[in-house]
Amino acid sequence: QQQVKQSPQSLIVQKGGISIINCAYENTAFDYFPWYQQFPGKGPALLIAIRPDVSEKKEGRFTISFNKSAKQFSLHIMDSQPGDSATYFCAATKWGAQKLVFGQGTRLTINP
Amino acid sequence: NAGVTQTPKFQVLKTGQSMTLQCAQDMNHEYMSWYRQDPGMGLRLIHYSVGAGITDQGEVPNGYNVSRSTTEDFPLRLLSAAPSQTSVYFCASSSPRTVRYGYTFGSGTRLTVV
Repeated sequence: QQQVKQSPQSLIVQKGGISIINCAYENTAFDYFPWYQQFPGKGPALLIAIRPDVSEKKEGRFTISFNKSAKQFSLHIMDSQPGDSATYFCAATKWGAQKLVFGQGTRLTINP
Repeated sequence: NAGVTQTPKFQVLKTGQSMTLQCAQDMNHEYMSWYRQDPGMGLRLIHYSVGAGITDQGEVPNGYNVSRSTTEDFPLRLLSAAPSQTSVYFCASSSPRTVRYGYTFGSGTRLTVV
């Protein structure tokens, strides 16, 4: 079963727009929610992460919003740029644990 | 800094053949994992290790073996390749001391089984 569900599978946004990717999780034991960014031919790389003691975390143009009661979290990319075109994965795990559970991925395309 | 090194980058196997995907890290990370990436499925955990001599199964372990004789190396063995094992395989490492920095992934091995 898919413990972390991610949507949409693909997303096209105009340059300067806001990209929004959503994830929902099932396991209430999860307490660490990272987002990974993957460019073609490369491995995923950590982009930003959040723990449930806060409802929002912002790093530059990237923001994670977290809703613990709904068991949902989302990635917002403000002022989206063509260089942001990549595949994005949400993930979840227990803090310090080994097993990271990934969502299905979202292929984001930013049109110039 | 090499990070996580995976070899080979590409491989074509015939059904029934065996092979080993190599993974090495130079960051002294305790944790190492193998994931496979398939379209629409995200990354799924195959096997993982929390230290030398300790391995465990992930979500999709069937058809794969691992061992961890050193901290640096974590090879993945396909015993008898099947077309369903056609995928991109990623090795990753991390440390409980640096969880906030996330996993470091290799650049992947693209495997095709014909």
